[in-house]
Amino acid sequence: SYEVTQSPSVSVSPGQTASITCSGDKLGDKYASWYQQKPGQSPVLVLYEDTKRPSGIPERFSGSNSGNTATLTISGTQAMDEADYYCQTWDSSTVVFGGGTKLTVL
Amino acid sequence: QVQLQESGPGLVKPSETLSLTCTVSGDFINSYYWSWIRQPPGKGLEWIGYIYTTGDTNYNPSLKSRVTISVDTSKNQFSLNLSSVTAADTAVYYCARRILVAGSLYFDYWGQGTLVTVSS
Repeated sequence: SYEVTQSPSVSVSPGQTASITCSGDKLGDKYASWYQQKPGQSPVLVLYEDTKRPSGIPERFSGSNSGNTATLTISGTQAMDEADYYCQTWDSSTVVFGGGTKLTVL
Repeated sequence: QVQLQESGPGLVKPSETLSLTCTVSGDFINSYYWSWIRQPPGKGLEWIGYIYTTGDTNYNPSLKSRVTISVDTSKNQFSLNLSSVTAADTAVYYCARRILVAGSLYFDYWGQGTLVTVSS
């Protein structure tokens, strides 16, 4: 079965750029989506189709996907961006989530 | 604005069946796929399955033998049954709307989630 892997944690200073990666075999041939989840809240879609932002998601959230790695980039990271981030894709009609990355804004 | 709300028992005994319902408001349930996703305490997200309003379903292979998802379009609801539960099924259960466009599959609206604990 298809799997995607995320680093457990990433730390960033306020105002800096955070990069969160998601790795899987030929992931670049698929589409990746990204979700933000704050403690006690439901996940929120922040990127779909690798790079597209839903309405209401700030422009500082951007994405890329090539080779075996999809990346969520947060430019000018703010304290409010501290959360768990999950990548998601699908393969053979099966939905796959990464294990999540905890973003800490120090 | 589409809203989803999960409902059902918060406590289920081992070996019994977990049953949850998701009520959709703000839009008709027709013409979309609807999904269940769960999250054990302190862990990541796990896709359970999804259903189309015609009744067409697709389940996570790891849960397929125990899962049934159904839909009631007259009530704008869809439901989850998970049989023979164990403590490993303790989780927050979310319902969500699934979108598939141009090969991209994602979940754009989520319920608030409901915690189901499996314990005697």
